[in-house]
This record gives sequence, C-alpha cells and structure tokens, in this order.
Amino acid sequence: DIQMTQSPSSLSASVGDRVTITCRASQSISSYLNWYQQKPGKAPKLLIYAASSLQSGVPSRFSGSGSGTDFTLTISSLQPEDFATYYCQQSYSTPHSFGQGTKLEIK
Amino acid sequence: QVQLVQSGAEVKKPGASVKVSCKASGYTFTSYYMHWVRQAPGQGLEWMGILNPSGGSTTYAQKFQGRVTMTRDTSTSTVYMELRSLRSEDTAVYYCARDGVVPAAYDYWGQGTLVTVSS
Repeated sequence: DIQMTQSPSSLSASVGDRVTITCRASQSISSYLNWYQQKPGKAPKLLIYAASSLQSGVPSRFSGSGSGTDFTLTISSLQPEDFATYYCQQSYSTPHSFGQGTKLEIK
Repeated sequence: QVQLVQSGAEVKKPGASVKVSCKASGYTFTSYYMHWVRQAPGQGLEWMGILNPSGGSTTYAQKFQGRVTMTRDTSTSTVYMELRSLRSEDTAVYYCARDGVVPAAYDYWGQGTLVTVSS
C-alpha cells in the first residue's frame, strides 16, 4: 500500500498569509494526487485534482504542484473561510490512501 | 444538481451489522464509480472500498475484506455499505463519495452517517 505523509500536521497563520502544505508519497504516484478541504462536521470538499488542476468553483488562491512523490498545496492569501483541515490523497492505486491531515488555524 | 443523500445515524452493539445507504440523484447513476470513506472521531480519512454501479463489481481495502459488502440498486440509484462484526473501533462517520468527471477524484460526497458501536 502507498503511504501518504503530510507536513506540517498543524499550522497557525494569519489572514493574508501565504501558506504551503506538503505531501509525500511512499512511491511514485505520477500526478494522481488530490487535495481536499474539510471543515468541522462537514464532508470533505475537492479542491485540487491531478496534482495541479483546480476543481470548478474553487477560488484561484488555491494551487497545487508536484509529481512523482512530492506535492504541495499553496494558498496564496489566506481568507477567514480557509481555516480548516486539508488532506492529500493518492488515487494511483487502491487503497486510495489519505495523508493524516493538516489543521490550519488562525494565529 | 448532483446530490448524495445518506441514511441516518445508527447505534449498534458490538458484533452486530450495519447497512448504510447513499441515494444518488442529478446524474446518470451507472456512469460513475462510488467510494466509501470513513472517519473515526477526531481522526483522518480512511478509504474502505469502491463500487462500480454499472456492473456491481467491487474492490475493498484489505483491512475490511470479509467484513464489508458494497452493493447497489440501480432502480433507485442507491448504493449500500454493510459492515459486519462491528467493534468499538468501527465508531466513525461513514461517507459515500462519487468518483468524478476526472477519474479518481472524489467530486461529490454524501453528508456522512455516524455509526456508533457501543455496548
């Protein structure tokens, strides 16, 4: 099975900050990497698919990059509604494993 | 609009079974695979398996092999996830999620079903 490791596990930042979250796969997954945002009590929401493609309706301040084993999610200018938990997920092979999550909190 | 509506919360005793439903609407049911993902309280997301609503074929995570069955009813556009031999560690919110227009990205999710396993 492919293991996904996110860093950091938690992050404090301020509105307007630029934030980067990293995700590393235990083996190459090409570009089969998705990013999700989850708010308390809600289902996850797809932000980025195929490593760098923005899901329809997602603000352009979100971007993704990477291929192979190393990936990043960047939020260019944090907005109040962006404080949430973020998960990466590989969809290269089953089981479609998730990272452990990065909780983004207000500083 | 695409909607996935799940059945309500369940409380079960250890050793029992639970069957969660996920009713799809707003798209062609048989054209998109469906996944099940669970989340224990305060924990991360865990992939359980995938169902092809067209032919009914399934792939399950090794962890759940022998305890989980995913099925569908094409007449009602509903998928089901049954988990047997429940234990306290199965207490979690269970989500169905559609494998989207771009394959292997989960573009729509159900609202989640809390399953509590307690004696």
